[in-house]
Amino acid sequence: ETGVTQSPTHLIKTRGQQVTLRCSSQSGHNTVSWYQQALGQGPQFIFQYYREEENGRGNFPPRFSGLQFPNYSSELNVNALELDDSALYLCASNPGGGSSYNEQFFGPGTRLTVL
Amino acid sequence: KQEVTQIPAALSVPEGENLVLNCSFTDSAIYNLQWFRQDPGKGLTSLLLIQSSQREQTSGRLNASLDKSSGRSTLYIAASQPGDSATYLCAARDSNYQLIWGAGTKLIIKP
Repeated sequence: ETGVTQSPTHLIKTRGQQVTLRCSSQSGHNTVSWYQQALGQGPQFIFQYYREEENGRGNFPPRFSGLQFPNYSSELNVNALELDDSALYLCASNPGGGSSYNEQFFGPGTRLTVL
Repeated sequence: KQEVTQIPAALSVPEGENLVLNCSFTDSAIYNLQWFRQDPGKGLTSLLLIQSSQREQTSGRLNASLDKSSGRSTLYIAASQPGDSATYLCAARDSNYQLIWGAGTKLIIKP
């Protein structure tokens, strides 16, 4: 069974650029969530996808957007990058049904640096 | 609005000691609470998940408890080892189905 994978591992962008981060969920998991973790802080919920539809969103502006594909993999897109977007971006999947009871399994993260 | 707090922010203990990490939350209306481990620069590893109807969960040397009425959870680590050194985070799934996170406790086990 393959766990949650993310790509790329590290990324450096400049302010104003756009970035796409990718996540492959664990086999059999149909729900994917994205989190932003700034240095020294806990993760902040960005949004969640269940069967290709967004079904929950945290307090992030619209320039943070996402997609989920029929194979349940997912993308996080960030437009007009700002310096404060520098963080570790974590993807998590669970067996779902969008259920609140399920354990979250995390990928290794993508470290984004905005200069 | 649910808030999750972890105290202390950092903890250093000698190898072999038993220790307790604390997690408190302000709103008792949670679905579950999950403890994670994070190694420097890495993703999160799930340790234990406690449903709201449960009082505790155990895995090996780890035991997590949940007291919804007091808004507290503890993670007990028995016979600590240097390999246990990491940041430990707790997260509560709130009434909006979102995971609300503490900032973590950085644990150092001294050989």
